[in-house]
Amino acid sequence: QKEVEQDPGPLSVPEGAIVSLNCTYSNSAFQYFMWYRQYSRKGPELLMYTYSSGNKEDGRFTAQVDKSSKYISLFIRDSQPSDSATYLCAFYTGTASKLTFGTGTRLQVML
Amino acid sequence: NAGVMQNPRHLVRRRGQEARLRCSPVKGHSHVYWYRQLPEEGLKFMVYLQKENIIDESGMPKERFSAEFPKEGPSILRIQQVVRGDSAAYFCASSPLDRAAGELFFGEGSRLTVL
Repeated sequence: QKEVEQDPGPLSVPEGAIVSLNCTYSNSAFQYFMWYRQYSRKGPELLMYTYSSGNKEDGRFTAQVDKSSKYISLFIRDSQPSDSATYLCAFYTGTASKLTFGTGTRLQVML
Repeated sequence: NAGVMQNPRHLVRRRGQEARLRCSPVKGHSHVYWYRQLPEEGLKFMVYLQKENIIDESGMPKERFSAEFPKEGPSILRIQQVVRGDSAAYFCASSPLDRAAGELFFGEGSRLTVL
């Protein structure tokens, strides 16, 4: 079983739609949960960062963590064409040096 | 306020040649990480360095790959005798000492193509 599972997409939605992106993980040691956004040919940029189970909201973005199910989600409300990018979930144990990334979900928001 | 600077952005090498990738972290950041991204795969950790020290190189291939972060100058990822399988995007990231774990600032990457 992979440590992190993420549907690669692509996911195409119309402008204004609500987008749901998800990752599952198997490592119980993961304590920090992140979403990075990566535009084509660019480096990833941190979008959302959470520590505990529950929801965290930032503008149109909501990150949700369910530690009991080992499942995290990113919701994008009122999606815009500028949201078209690859979204990477990432995990950190708090003690190791590295982040563990999902493979990324490619999102395209159509006009 | 410059972010993480990587160069070259694109590098083409023939099999057997050497590739050197450079990374200047965000000013004031003392932690540097290198990740590799293969097509259709996620980012894979390679190495974590602080000034003049390799802290964790558990993700580095045992042969041909090396990294350094000298007291002065950029961090260097060096790949000797490149093979086609080394073709990938190599990303450098940095973080400041006082930021929460996992908050990395990435450069735009160096894309290596091995012919």
